[in-house]
Amino acid sequence: EPEVTQTPSHQVTQMGQEVILRCVPISNHLYFYWYRQILGQKVEFLVSFYNNEISEKSEIFDDQFSVERPDGSNFTLKIRSTKLEDSAMYFCASSGGIMNEQFFGPGTRLTVL
Amino acid sequence: AQSVTQPDIHITVSEGASLELRCNYSYGATPYLFWYVQSPGQGLQLLLKYFSGDTLVQGIKGFEAEFKRSQSSFNLRKPSVHWSDAAEYFCAVGPLTGTASKLTFGTGTRLQVTL
Repeated sequence: EPEVTQTPSHQVTQMGQEVILRCVPISNHLYFYWYRQILGQKVEFLVSFYNNEISEKSEIFDDQFSVERPDGSNFTLKIRSTKLEDSAMYFCASSGGIMNEQFFGPGTRLTVL
Repeated sequence: AQSVTQPDIHITVSEGASLELRCNYSYGATPYLFWYVQSPGQGLQLLLKYFSGDTLVQGIKGFEAEFKRSQSSFNLRKPSVHWSDAAEYFCAVGPLTGTASKLTFGTGTRLQVTL
């Protein structure tokens, strides 16, 4: 069964450093998403991406964040200068259509020291 | 703005007992509704979804949920809980239109199963 994969599973970084979180969505999907979950809190929407551009972003997704689909398979989330409060589990999701269910990856746990 | 409320933070049930997890949503039109499950250290797995049609939807692992428009609810049920069902359960709502469908999640209900 096709699945969304994410790498790395755990990333530790120093405050102020740049990190890139990688996702490989399901191959025939067209819509891509990033969510995050701070420890003990609910899952929050960050950004959606379709047709090589951002469709919608939340207030969390400020200028420090960017997304990219550099090739036909990867979907990345970059945090330019990490802050302590960026520590969270980051989930990538993809769907085949706007009304289709979203399939989530296993997540990347980001720890900012 | 859409929102989801899961009033129960933590529920404990005995194995074999029935289960109902509550979810209330706020949305201006007919929403897409979802239940996801998250086991410790794992990602989110879709249990079931409601888009339209029959208001009682069946999902995986023996779960079902009923959409009640008059109560703005989408409660998750299981007639007999298994120890492996211990996990965190999230209700989510997504819009029907737009250029992409962002999901809004509730705060989750942690289910503990006693033997």
